[in-house]
Amino acid sequence: KNEVEQSPQNLTAQEGEFITINCSYSVGISALHWLQQHPGGGIVSLFMLSSGKKKHGRLIATINIQEKHSSLHITASHPRDSAVYICAVKGLETSGSRLTFGEGTQLTVNP
Amino acid sequence: DAGVIQSPRHEVTEMGQEVTLRCKPISGHNSLFWYRQTMMRGLELLIYFNNNVPIDDSGMPEDRFSAKMPNASFSTLKIQPSEPRDSAVYFCASKEPPRQGGTGELFFGEGSRLTVL
Repeated sequence: KNEVEQSPQNLTAQEGEFITINCSYSVGISALHWLQQHPGGGIVSLFMLSSGKKKHGRLIATINIQEKHSSLHITASHPRDSAVYICAVKGLETSGSRLTFGEGTQLTVNP
Repeated sequence: DAGVIQSPRHEVTEMGQEVTLRCKPISGHNSLFWYRQTMMRGLELLIYFNNNVPIDDSGMPEDRFSAKMPNASFSTLKIQPSEPRDSAVYFCASKEPPRQGGTGELFFGEGSRLTVL
């Protein structure tokens, strides 16, 4: 079992739909990252959070430390949101700055 | 700010050749990471530096891989000799010093796509 599991693996939505991507992890963590990788390959850090909720534009990230679960929400989705979304955690038992990555969720938003 | 700068963006080489990938982190960032991404294994940390000092190189696959950070603004990842299984996208990322209560956000370069024939 992977330490970090994302669901769904693939998601197709229509423009305007509300989207949720989930990330579950099995270890105690000090921080969780949500990353976005566009078809061109570049990776962008969307959020880093250790508790509660963060919002940036149409993106919202939440984390429940007790349940070891985080969600990434996209409101009013747009075709330009099509990308791979990757969850990564910094484990409490992990030395230094090593992150454990999920396998990613491929999101396709159709016009 | 230009962000993390990597070069080359693409490299195609023959098995056995030496490959050098370069990275310029964001000015003021004191941590630098080298990641490798493949379809089979996803993103993997190869090595990271804090204040130019290698901290964790346990992800470096084997002795053919080496990384240096001679100063705060430059790092190299070298593969010698290269093999077809080294074909991947190599990402460099940098991180600002931790703020109070935080761990610092990662900033990634565009990646270097390596193909070893």
